[in-house]
Amino acid sequence: SAVISQKPSRDICQRGTSLTIQCQVDSQVTMMFWYRQQPGQSLTLIATANQGSEATYESGFVIDKFPISRPNLTFSTLTVSNMSPEDSSIYLCSVDFLGGELFFGEGSRLTVL
Amino acid sequence: AQSVSQHNHHVILSEAASLELGCNYSYGGTVNLFWYVQYPGQHLQLLLKYFSGDPLVKGIKGFEAEFIKSKFSFNLRKPSVQWSDTAEYFCAVSGFNQAGTALIFGKGTTLSVSS
Repeated sequence: SAVISQKPSRDICQRGTSLTIQCQVDSQVTMMFWYRQQPGQSLTLIATANQGSEATYESGFVIDKFPISRPNLTFSTLTVSNMSPEDSSIYLCSVDFLGGELFFGEGSRLTVL
Repeated sequence: AQSVSQHNHHVILSEAASLELGCNYSYGGTVNLFWYVQYPGQHLQLLLKYFSGDPLVKGIKGFEAEFIKSKFSFNLRKPSVQWSDTAEYFCAVSGFNQAGTALIFGKGTTLSVSS
């Protein structure tokens, strides 16, 4: 299995600001995914981040709002830009380490006031 | 497009009761199927998975699930639940043999077990 570390684990932010979430994996992985889990809801895929290429965003998510970097095979960042209270969620990094099974980080709980 | 439906939003059981959580998926091809669990305050963990072979799969902590292709279902079962099974359970699906394909999750079922 993979060990996935996310920073920050939680944060409280002001409306209009931006926050960058880091995801560090202890092994090299090709595929990384960013999910959002809004309060009381299931997980929604934001984007797929592969090293060496631009992230692929799902319907309803755009690069200007959620820019993603993937500089190498063990690290990725997700930025939540120009935040509003509706962005209050848990943001999860996940990796496909074993060919089809996803491993998840503990998530970054974001509260926007 | 793939979708996953979980029939039960909130299930309340007493210890030792049997559990079955329903999951149906919509996808035209062959699928990989998963059940994940999220205990209070913890991150998502894999309970079990089905890729191919025996449609009855066994996972951790006494859970099992049966893949019924004709019904597009992958229901989760446990013969006797414990208080420690209180958690959120998510069914998920991905396209078969598509390495690196993201999972599509159902809305989740909250299981509350009283002692």
